[in-house]
Amino acid sequence: QQQVKQSPQSLIVQKGGISIINCAYENTAFDYFPWYQQFPGKGPALLIAIRPDVSEKKEGRFTISFNKSAKQFSLHIMDSQPGDSATYFCAASITQTGGSQGNLIFGKGTKLSVKP
Amino acid sequence: SQTIHQWPATLVQPVGSPLSLECTVEGTSNPNLYWYRQAAGRGLQLLFYSVGIGQISSEVPQNLSASRPQDRQFILSSKKLLLSDSGFYLCAWSPRTGKNIQYFGAGTRLSVL
Repeated sequence: QQQVKQSPQSLIVQKGGISIINCAYENTAFDYFPWYQQFPGKGPALLIAIRPDVSEKKEGRFTISFNKSAKQFSLHIMDSQPGDSATYFCAASITQTGGSQGNLIFGKGTKLSVKP
Repeated sequence: SQTIHQWPATLVQPVGSPLSLECTVEGTSNPNLYWYRQAAGRGLQLLFYSVGIGQISSEVPQNLSASRPQDRQFILSSKKLLLSDSGFYLCAWSPRTGKNIQYFGAGTRLSVL
């Protein structure tokens, strides 16, 4: 129940196309859903995050869509560029009583390759 | 601003040798600290986390241990490395309260031969 299932494992998209990565969860107590981006040989970095009180959040070419009833959320990368080629991780966590943070539960990652 | 330092960047060790990886955080106090391992082509496996000095929680029983001797210092150790300990080790920190953002170090690539 603590798992976050991410798909696909790898994704190849042409430059200018839309990249879509999906995640699903079971624990309805999760209340924070971030996406991390990791370039080869580097540590992951926060890309964008959403809370379940909104259905969509957009930052530039990156959009999170959130479906609370289906317990799913997805990352859309519009106008994908070769520089977007990286591994993307979705994650989920629970805000604890008193505001402290529960551990992030990460998906297994999606390796995105954007072809020029 | 806050920064996280992790070293060394790469390490090649023989089987059976000890290990010590160090991580320090600057510009913040009382952070949560984490050690992750990332095997090639796989996700992030949480190994240890700490909410304070001397407070270590282990997520996966294994050949490794962690210690937090100071508020902003987190150390990953092993007495005897195994081949299966090879991987990419990442340290991360997050603020104790507020936004649950984890900030990762640059990682250590460990090869056990």
